[in-house]
Amino acid sequence: QKEVEQDPGPLSVPEGAIVSLNCTYSNSAFQYFMWYRQYSRKGPELLMYTYSSGNKEDGRFTAQVDKSSKYISLFIRDSQPSDSATYLCAMIGDTGRRALTFGSGTRLQVQP
Amino acid sequence: DGGITQSPKYLFRKEGQNVTLSCEQNLNHDAMYWYRQDPGQGLRLIYYSQIVNDFQKGDIAEGYSVSREKKESFPLTVTSAQKNPTAFYLCASSISSRPSGVPGVKTQYFGPGTRLLVL
Repeated sequence: QKEVEQDPGPLSVPEGAIVSLNCTYSNSAFQYFMWYRQYSRKGPELLMYTYSSGNKEDGRFTAQVDKSSKYISLFIRDSQPSDSATYLCAMIGDTGRRALTFGSGTRLQVQP
Repeated sequence: DGGITQSPKYLFRKEGQNVTLSCEQNLNHDAMYWYRQDPGQGLRLIYYSQIVNDFQKGDIAEGYSVSREKKESFPLTVTSAQKNPTAFYLCASSISSRPSGVPGVKTQYFGPGTRLLVL
């Protein structure tokens, strides 16, 4: 079983829809959680990071962390065709390996 | 402009040849990382370095080597022992990888990537 599980999609939604992207994880030591967006043949770019449990909002993006369930989410409001990309979750703790552990990524397609 | 640069954008390797991928950062970050991404897959860690003259193997280090002689530079060599090197290689850096309790410190920033192809 992978440490971080993420549905690969593709997830196809109409423009303006609310998108929900999720990851589950098994390592309770993870404390820092990040979401990256990756366009085809480009390097991932950081969208959001959160520490421990709770919510964080930045424009159309909201990140949620539920450590008790080992479940993190990224919500995208008013989705746009330019949001079409692969979304990667990543996480790390203060103990154990000192590098991010990534999910496999969810491919999102926003239809105009 | 601060950031991470990778070169070349495309690299072709002949059978039995070693090739080196360049990664440079001017963000003054202590930690640097190399990942491999295969089509439709996530990122797999090859090597990482927490500080100059120090580096650790990741999940798929076999067939690869690195050096960290300068803070700004973390080159990756794909050796002839790597039998399936065709992939997208991504370099990243973070302020630090050490425990700090500061949320943003471990956040990794990525370069644009190098696509390695075998002739």
